[in-house]
Amino acid sequence: DTGVSQNPRHKITKRGQNVTFRCDPISEHNRLYWYRQTLGQGPEFLTYFQNEAQLEKSRLLSDRFSAERPKGSFSTLEIQRTEQGDSAMYLCASSLGGVRSYEQYFGPGTRLTVT
Amino acid sequence: DAKTTQPPSMDCAEGRAANLPCNHSTISGNEYVYWYRQIHSQGPQYIIHGLKNNETNEMASLIITEDRKSSTLILPHATLRDTAVYYCIATNAGGTSYGKLTFGQGTILTVHP
Repeated sequence: DTGVSQNPRHKITKRGQNVTFRCDPISEHNRLYWYRQTLGQGPEFLTYFQNEAQLEKSRLLSDRFSAERPKGSFSTLEIQRTEQGDSAMYLCASSLGGVRSYEQYFGPGTRLTVT
Repeated sequence: DAKTTQPPSMDCAEGRAANLPCNHSTISGNEYVYWYRQIHSQGPQYIIHGLKNNETNEMASLIITEDRKSSTLILPHATLRDTAVYYCIATNAGGTSYGKLTFGQGTILTVHP
């Protein structure tokens, strides 16, 4: 399977703990995106990378959130000092560049539950 | 991005065509219309996009009105596996765009046997 993969699929953590999620994009895609989705809502954009450079961050991405994409391959999203409001599905997507950047391939997501 | 308006839910009988409308009356000349769907417990899936001409691929057809203020996604022979939330997104896909997708609430399509 050469699609986008995300790990873990589920994460349960206690409030105040740090968590890290991983996304492996489609290998030839130079763009990688993170979205967050809460129950009953559409996904919300968090941030995106072109190769290893993080080029845009949403206001939703507070200082407790950090994302990296070393060497322009996989990406990690870390949440420090988790809060109950961080409970959501975290989706990763990848795409080619240019006008193809809107044809995104999504992973299955990581569901985070903060207790 | 132009605001899009979709009905919250629709039903369709299996084997029949599903026609999902989207209103984007404030769309500008360089904004494309994209459709995605999200099957329960999965990530969104790209379906199709268009600017002003009608488009067709192996999944669906996209009909855009001449004034571009609305569009319809057509699933010609809906199956139970097409039950999903369908999102219509209007966005500028040209120039130095970076691919930020702005999802609304979408339309929950339920295909019945």
